[in-house]
Amino acid sequence: DQQVKQNSPSLSVQEGRISILNCDYTNSMFDYFLWYKKYPAEGPTFLISISSIKDKNEDGRFTVFLNKSAKHLSLHIVPSQPGDSAVYFCAARPNFGNEKLTFGTGTRLTIIP
Amino acid sequence: GAGVSQTPSNKVTEKGKYVELRCDPISGHTALYWYRQSLGQGPEFLIYFQGTGAADDSGLPNDRFFAVRPEGSVSTLKIQRTERGDSAMYLCASSFSGTTDGTQYFGPGTRLTVL
Repeated sequence: DQQVKQNSPSLSVQEGRISILNCDYTNSMFDYFLWYKKYPAEGPTFLISISSIKDKNEDGRFTVFLNKSAKHLSLHIVPSQPGDSAVYFCAARPNFGNEKLTFGTGTRLTIIP
Repeated sequence: GAGVSQTPSNKVTEKGKYVELRCDPISGHTALYWYRQSLGQGPEFLIYFQGTGAADDSGLPNDRFFAVRPEGSVSTLKIQRTERGDSAMYLCASSFSGTTDGTQYFGPGTRLTVL
């Protein structure tokens, strides 16, 4: 039972354009969401997070949007740069105090120069 | 400051052998987590420590897997009688606990190969 789903295994975007990565979840107890970026042979690197009390969080080129009613979040990267090419994982956590993260299967983003 | 470190970076062993994987968390982080990532999958939770005690070990697949954190800092994941299906990337993460975000910071991982 995949509680966090990333339905696009891969995505290619032209450099300078917007990259949009999507994530859906089924567990209504999840209330904190994170995006991680992973290069080959490295551990995941934290990018940005959002609490369920918000619907948007922005950090530089990265913005995460949360639609609680649809159980859907997305990561927007604009403008996309070649260094953004990596695998992106969406992760979710239930209420504070239960800290294990549940990850999606990842989306491989390729930025085309 | 130093991030999460894991040793060894790669471990090749034979079926049936015992292995230990080590994790050094970020200094000051009281929470420590182990995850396992298989090819094409996201990391899957194994165990979570709060200080020295295992607060949640619900992700350990069976009793061949065990983890300790005796002094509340370094942790060791121990796998007995390894099987080929144990081959995966083992990731360790740490975080501050008692905060509203609890962002987990990951180490580079140990790639375990069981022949």
